[in-house]
Amino acid sequence: NAGVTQTPKFRILKIGQSMTLQCTQDMNHNYMYWYRQDPGMGLKLIYYSVGAGITDKGEVPNGYNVSRSTTEDFPLRLELAAPSQTSVYFCASTISDSGTDTQYFGPGTRLTVL
Amino acid sequence: GQNIDQPTEMTATEGAIVQINCTYQTSGFNGLFWYQQHAGEAPTFLSYNVLDGLEEKGRFSSFLSRSKGYSYLLLKELQMKDSASYLCAVINSNYQLIWGAGTKLIIKP
Repeated sequence: NAGVTQTPKFRILKIGQSMTLQCTQDMNHNYMYWYRQDPGMGLKLIYYSVGAGITDKGEVPNGYNVSRSTTEDFPLRLELAAPSQTSVYFCASTISDSGTDTQYFGPGTRLTVL
Repeated sequence: GQNIDQPTEMTATEGAIVQINCTYQTSGFNGLFWYQQHAGEAPTFLSYNVLDGLEEKGRFSSFLSRSKGYSYLLLKELQMKDSASYLCAVINSNYQLIWGAGTKLIIKP
C-alpha cells in the first residue's frame, strides 16, 4: 500500500492564481481530511469528508473548495490564491470518524503565494 | 474556547530522559493523541490515551490525567533520531480533533 499520497510536493503561485492539490489514499478509508500547518502552529482543519459525495467545512474553509467523487481521491481547490494561504497542506485519512482512530497523513504540499 | 498548551521547544541530551507536557481545555474529552513530526515530514502516530494512567510502548510512554486536563509524553534513552516535533491532540465532545502547536525537541550529543 502506498498509503496517502499528495501532489505536488512544492508549488509557488502568484496572487490570484488557482490550483488543485491532489490527495489519494489506497487504504479504502471512508474519512479524509485537509489540514494546513503554518510555521510554529498546530494543524488547522480546512475541510473533511465522511465518504464519496459528502464533504463538510472545518475550522478554516474560506478560500478553499473540495470534492469527493470517489473513496480514493479528495482534491483541494484554491481559488484566487492569497499570501495568507502560504502554508504546508496535509491530507489525512482514517477508517472511521469516531475520532479515536489514528489518522494517516500524506507527505504534504508546501505552497508559497507571492 | 478550546486550547491546548505545550512548550514550544525543549533540549535534551542523547541517552537521557525527557518529559513533554500537554495541558488542555476543551469542550469535552474523548481521548488524547501524541504524534511525532520530523522536520519537513508528515505527523506519525505515537500513542493514544483515553483512560487515566500510563501507557508504555517501548522507549515512549504517555500519561493522562483527565481531572487535571494534563498529559505527558516520556521519552527514554534518547537517540538523535528522536529530534522532532511532538504534537498533542485532543478529541472533544463533538469528536473533533484539536491540535496543539507542538513541542520541538532538540537532542544534543
